Amino acid sequence: AQSVTQLGSHVSVSEGALVLLRCNYSSSVPPYLFWYVQYPNQGLQLLLKYTSAATLVKGINGFEAEFKKSETSFHLTKPSAHMSDAAEYFCAVSVPTGTASKLTFGTGTRLQVTL
Amino acid sequence: DGGITQSPKYLFRKEGQNVTLSCEQNLNHDAMYWYRQDPGQGLRLIYYSQIVNDFQKGDIAEGYSVSREKKESFPLTVTSAQKNPTAFYLCASSRSYSYNEQFFGPGTRLTVL
Repeated sequence: AQSVTQLGSHVSVSEGALVLLRCNYSSSVPPYLFWYVQYPNQGLQLLLKYTSAATLVKGINGFEAEFKKSETSFHLTKPSAHMSDAAEYFCAVSVPTGTASKLTFGTGTRLQVTL
Repeated sequence: DGGITQSPKYLFRKEGQNVTLSCEQNLNHDAMYWYRQDPGQGLRLIYYSQIVNDFQKGDIAEGYSVSREKKESFPLTVTSAQKNPTAFYLCASSRSYSYNEQFFGPGTRLTVL
C-alpha cells in the first residue's frame, strides 16, 4: 500500500522568504503525486501533480515541486512567500494500476506567513 | 460554471439522529468520493463510487451509508452508529476512477450536540 509522510505539521516563514514543505512517499510502483491547498473552512484545490512526465512540476500561484525517486520525495517550494499563501497544504499519492487510483493523503502542513 | 456543491455548509445534529449530507456535481464525472477530515489526521476515505448504482467502502465506512442513483448526486448519510461524527466532510469527483485528478467541493461541517 502507498503512503505519504509530511514532515512538520506547522511551518512559519516571513513574507518574501522561501517556502519549503516536505513530502516523502512510499509506493511499490511508480506513483502519481499531488499537492493540494486548503483555505479555512473550504475544500481542497489542486496546486500541482506529477504523473511520470517531467520531474520538475510547476503549479498555480508560483508553486513548484520536484519528484526525486532516489529520495522518495516530492517537496513543495515557492521562492517568495506571500501573505495569501497562508493555508494548509496536503501531499497525496495514488498508484495508477488499473482502476485503483485512490488518493492517500498526508496529515497536512499548516503554513503561516508573517510580516 | 461547472463544479461540486455540498449542502448544507454547517449542520448540527442531536445524538441518535441520522443526517444526510448532499453532494452534487455538474462536471459529468463518473467517479465520486466522500472524505472525512479531522484536525491533524488529513483526509480519510469513507466511500467511493466508480459509476452510477455502484459504490464501495473506503477506509472508515462504519456508521456511514451512501447511494448513487444519479450520476451527478452522491449523498452521504451519517447514522447513529457513527460514534464520533463531528468532523468536516468533503465530497470529490473525478472524470473516472482510473483518472487521478480529483476535484473537491466546499465541505460540510457536522457538529453533534
